[in-house]
Amino acid sequence: DAGVIQSPRHEVTEMGQEVTLRCKPISGHDYLFWYRQTMMRGLELLIYFNNNVPIDDSGMPEDRFSAKMPNASFSTLKIQPSEPRDSAVYFCASTWGTDTQYFGPGTRLTVL
Amino acid sequence: QQQVKQSPQSLIVQKGGISIINCAYENTAFDYFPWYQQFPGKGPALLIAIRPDVSEKKEGRFTISFNKSAKQFSLHIMDSQPGDSATYFCAAQGVGSNYKLTFGKGTLLTVNP
Repeated sequence: DAGVIQSPRHEVTEMGQEVTLRCKPISGHDYLFWYRQTMMRGLELLIYFNNNVPIDDSGMPEDRFSAKMPNASFSTLKIQPSEPRDSAVYFCASTWGTDTQYFGPGTRLTVL
Repeated sequence: QQQVKQSPQSLIVQKGGISIINCAYENTAFDYFPWYQQFPGKGPALLIAIRPDVSEKKEGRFTISFNKSAKQFSLHIMDSQPGDSATYFCAAQGVGSNYKLTFGKGTLLTVNP
């Protein structure tokens, strides 16, 4: 298996633009997690899904952030409009019936 | 509220030395405590984990020590190697939490040759 796949790996955009981050979990995994990593705040859980259904979105910072999982093999995290403080590395992770989360390589987002 | 406190923020150790990273938690409902290792430009990966029914778990050069009464756990890296240089995160997961993890802020470990 190729592991968790994220795209793009790097994204540079200007303030106010819409940003869409993509994730393909490991095949067969039924939990998907979105995290944000910054130096100041570390790894923060934004939202997670079970069987494509959002379970807990309490970590989503504000209404500018939204996430979807239209099927078992694809999820998106959208920021609209983006702001410089959204600059971070965004990780997607997945798991199935175990405590081990498998992380993707991350998307480094820079908002100018 | 930071539910898992990790220290130190950074650590420099000589090759062959022992690296020790500490974490403390507040929520007594936590019942699973993993450590993740992250290399630059990569996502975190599970290194070792423990449940509170044991006080210690060892895998090769990596050992977790767990003190349930103090609500503390630590990672010990014996015979530290330059290849161990990475960021280490402790985490905690609660009963019935749907595998939701709460992470510490991380420790940047540098092992000098």
